[in-house]
Order: sequence, then structure tokens, then C-alpha cells
Amino acid sequence: NAGVTQTPKFQVLKTGQSMTLQCAQDMNHEYMSWYRQDPGMGLRLIHYSVGAGITDQGEVPNGYNVSRSTTEDFPLRLLSAAPSQTSVYFCASGQRGGVSGELFFGEGSRLTVL
Amino acid sequence: KQEVTQIPAALSVPEGENLVLNCSFTDSAIYNLQWFRQDPGKGLTSLLLIQSSQREQTSGRLNASLDKSSGRSTLYIAASQPGDSATYLCAVPNGGYQKVTFGTGTKLQVIP
Repeated sequence: NAGVTQTPKFQVLKTGQSMTLQCAQDMNHEYMSWYRQDPGMGLRLIHYSVGAGITDQGEVPNGYNVSRSTTEDFPLRLLSAAPSQTSVYFCASGQRGGVSGELFFGEGSRLTVL
Repeated sequence: KQEVTQIPAALSVPEGENLVLNCSFTDSAIYNLQWFRQDPGKGLTSLLLIQSSQREQTSGRLNASLDKSSGRSTLYIAASQPGDSATYLCAVPNGGYQKVTFGTGTKLQVIP
């Protein structure tokens, strides 16, 4: 019973490099989302998806891209990494998009941009 | 805009004490309220989910209550243990899939 799986757990990038954070869930959830967690800022929503082929922006989408080609996977792409993107990234999924259902989180991906 | 406040930001109690964590929200038009636990360097673990029609929810030593009209939820932890030491966050969705607002958490330390 894997739940929500994120890879990699740790990553160090140089400014300007690109990378993809992977997120997969095995609960057949419609809703998936990406958050970033920064000290003193709490959790902020980056992008979310309510089903395959459907994505939308959250509170802090700039510098990030997402796609949802399958129900299971929701990768987050950093196009040109900046030091301001140093953070802990969490993927979450839920059956009804967090409206009336429970949210489940991955273990996080810790990204450092030098 | 929904605002979620958790007070206190940090709490230290001796083992065995019963304690209450507070979560306040400004917009009462919520669908549910969820309490999470986060251990250092880890993800968020769901503790309890209270639907908007419910008044409380219990799981083991944990009891969460919800008062929509006053914009408050409490998480009661009975007979606290050192293993309960973690940061506790509440989350409130309202108005749509993208509008899940998290509190900034209460960092709990239970001293043996």
C-alpha cells in the first residue's frame, strides 16, 4: 500500500538548470496537487489537477509546469531553477479534490538551488 | 480570503498531560477540516477528517471537534506521550478544489 510516492527525496541544482519532481499515487485519486513548504510561510499550493488532462494554477505557479497524462502520475517541472525555489515540495492526492475528501501527502522532495 | 490560525505556535508539556490544540478559520463556508501531523523532515500524516456536518471525530487518544459557526476546531490529545512530539497542522478547504488553506502549525514537545 504505497500511497503517494515522490522522487527524488533530495536534489541539489545549479541556477538555470531544469528538473522534474515525480509524484505517483496508487489510490486511483482524481485530485493531485503540488505544494511547497517554506519556514514561516506554511504550505502554498503550486499547481493542481482534478483528473487526467486537466490542470490549473494554484497560489504560486510561476517557474513551474505540470501535466497529467495518467490518473497515477503528476510530475512537477522546474524550467530554469532559481535560488528562490529552494524549498520542500509535497505532492498530495485526494478522491474528491479536497472538497469533501481526505488529502494524502507524500514524504516530500527537498530541493536546494545554488 | 480564508485565513487559518493556529495558537499556540509551540507547546511543551510533561508526559501524561491532556492537551488541546486550537485552529481558527475566518470563513465558515467549509466542506471539512483535516488535522495532520508532521514529523521533522517528513511529510504530512492525516490524523482526523471532520466533515462540515459533523461536530467531532475520534481516533484513539485523539479527538477533534468542529464549530463552524464560531470558526473553530480543537484537537484534544489525551495522556500525551513523547512519541506525540511533532508539528500539528489543520487544513480547511472551501470554495473549490484549489482553495485548501493550511494553518502554520503548532509544534508540540512532550517531555518524558
